[in-house]
Amino acid sequence: LAKTTQPISMDSYEGQEVNITCSHNNIATNDYITWYQQFPSQGPRFIIQGYKTKVTNEVASLFIPADRKSSTLSLPRVSLSDTAVYYCLVGDMWNKLVFGAGTILRVKS
Amino acid sequence: NAGVTQTPKFQVLKTGQSMTLQCAQDMNHNSMYWYRQDPGMGLRLIYYSASEGTTDKGEVPNGYNVSRLNKREFSLRLESAAPSQTSVYFCASSGEQYFGPGTRLTVT
Repeated sequence: LAKTTQPISMDSYEGQEVNITCSHNNIATNDYITWYQQFPSQGPRFIIQGYKTKVTNEVASLFIPADRKSSTLSLPRVSLSDTAVYYCLVGDMWNKLVFGAGTILRVKS
Repeated sequence: NAGVTQTPKFQVLKTGQSMTLQCAQDMNHNSMYWYRQDPGMGLRLIYYSASEGTTDKGEVPNGYNVSRLNKREFSLRLESAAPSQTSVYFCASSGEQYFGPGTRLTVT
């Protein structure tokens, strides 16, 4: 299973764009890249998933370079309610995904 | 749709006691998963089931057993609870993994 490396924490201010980068040097051909958000005392919530290039949905964008050895989650115009832990996972989407320690994002006013 | 439901929400056990954590999903997903999350840590996969009738070990299976009773239900059993199993347990389903609300288990 591919291991991921993310920053331990990041700080931002309301209204800014936040980019969280994840390294996954040994990603396999069949692996997808998935990001989750987790608030205290809640289960993780799916944000976005991609295989290559760029994926965008109503809450975030995911940028994946051609070599797929890293990915960047982009959150546009964050608010205080985006303060959470963000996890990057790499794996075969139909089997087990392994969570790393995640990135603590703190959004300040 | 209720999504993924888990029971109980909280449980306190004494060392050596047994219990079963229940999980059910109403989204007709094939895959289901059990994770544990210790304070300040990421989630660790205990067991997963790719489809009804199949189960496989995850990263930390020791001390646990699972049953995929049918497509909807996936239970996790602790036969002889230990303090090291104090954790929050999450059930999830599908490839994108919709998570339940969690069960907070304390073993004294």
